[in-house]
Amino acid sequence: DAKTTQPPSMDCAEGRAANLPCNHSTISGNEYVYWYRQIHSQGPQYIIHGLKNNETNEMASLIITEDRKSSTLILPHATLRDTAVYYCIVTAGRRALTFGSGTRLQVQP
Amino acid sequence: DAGVTQSPTHLIKTRGQQVTLRCSPKSGHDTVSWYQQALGQGPQFIFQYYEEEERQRGNFPDRFSGHQFPNYSSELNVNALLLGDSALYLCASSGLSGRSSYEQYFGPGTRLTVT
Repeated sequence: DAKTTQPPSMDCAEGRAANLPCNHSTISGNEYVYWYRQIHSQGPQYIIHGLKNNETNEMASLIITEDRKSSTLILPHATLRDTAVYYCIVTAGRRALTFGSGTRLQVQP
Repeated sequence: DAGVTQSPTHLIKTRGQQVTLRCSPKSGHDTVSWYQQALGQGPQFIFQYYEEEERQRGNFPDRFSGHQFPNYSSELNVNALLLGDSALYLCASSGLSGRSSYEQYFGPGTRLTVT
């Protein structure tokens, strides 16, 4: 699986958009970009995934660059409940997820 | 639609004992993966089952074994428990989605404490 690089931590004001970047320069053509988050002591929560097109669902938007070497997860209106560790993972098919260190997002009131 | 369920929620065992953890996948999913998460670290992949066979395995000793049943539920067994096996054990299920991908959905985990 392609390796991903994320900033270790980020802060965001409540009500503002949170933009979480991820670099995955060695991504292969059949690999998807997945985003998960984990709130303390809970199981990771699936957020969104994409292959090459931008994606949006009820939780977030995913912007993937045209060369697919990086992506950004956007939480449009962050709330205190969005405080969590966010993981960007690149994989294909049924392959296992390889979790890195993720980005610790702290939403400030 | 019930999500991924795991049992028990918490478990305390003694070194040397054996433990069995259980997982029921999300409806419509045929693949179950198990992960171990030590305190302060990200989840580490243990193994994956589908069609009742182990298909992938992470870097874990063979003290860790598993099984998948015809109804797609799964068990994780750990023999000869060590203090270092204390962790949150996570089960994730997946199945082919309408987008030809395999998003994994996680259960709440089983917290195992070995004393």
